[in-house]
Amino acid sequence: DAGVIQSPRHEVTEMGQEVTLRCKPISGHDYLFWYRQTMMRGLELLIYFNNNVPIDDSGMPEDRFSAKMPNASFSTLKIQPSEPRDSAVYFCASSRGRSPLHFGNGTRLTVT
Amino acid sequence: KQEVTQIPAALSVPEGENLVLNCSFTDSAIYNLQWFRQDPGKGLTSLLLIQSSQREQTSGRLNASLDKSSGRSTLYIAASQPGDSATYLCAVRLGGATNKLIFGTGTLLAVQP
Repeated sequence: DAGVIQSPRHEVTEMGQEVTLRCKPISGHDYLFWYRQTMMRGLELLIYFNNNVPIDDSGMPEDRFSAKMPNASFSTLKIQPSEPRDSAVYFCASSRGRSPLHFGNGTRLTVT
Repeated sequence: KQEVTQIPAALSVPEGENLVLNCSFTDSAIYNLQWFRQDPGKGLTSLLLIQSSQREQTSGRLNASLDKSSGRSTLYIAASQPGDSATYLCAVRLGGATNKLIFGTGTLLAVQP
């Protein structure tokens, strides 16, 4: 089992640019979550999917953020346009039902 | 709205000491509670999961308890080692139709050799 795989590990971009973060969940897991971690706010749930369908996106901060899950093995989180306050570590996690949640190693995003 | 609090925010202990980390939540209608460990620059690693019907779970030197009615969980670490140094986070999985997990802010543990 390869675990949850995220790419890239680090992303540095300039304000106004589009950023796309990628995630491959564990095979067989039907739930996928996107979290954002900052020192000030801790871990915040942005959105989660069940069987590729977005269930709750109430944590998505603004319309600049969007997430998709075109199939069971791939999801993207896109920020367009990016702003310096979007700088954070973005985590993807997956689970089978309500079993333990498994996290990827995260993408550290820096927007200058 | 469910809120999860972890106290203390940071803890430093000498090697070999037994210690307890605390997690409090405001709404007892949870499905389960999960404890995680996070090393610097890394993702979260699952340590223990307690179902809402359970009182405790054990794995090696770790023991997690759950008192749903009082909104509290503790993580007990026996005979602490420098390798236990990390941030420990608890997360409650909400009950009902949702599958949201709400995280506490974590306790940063340093075990001194």
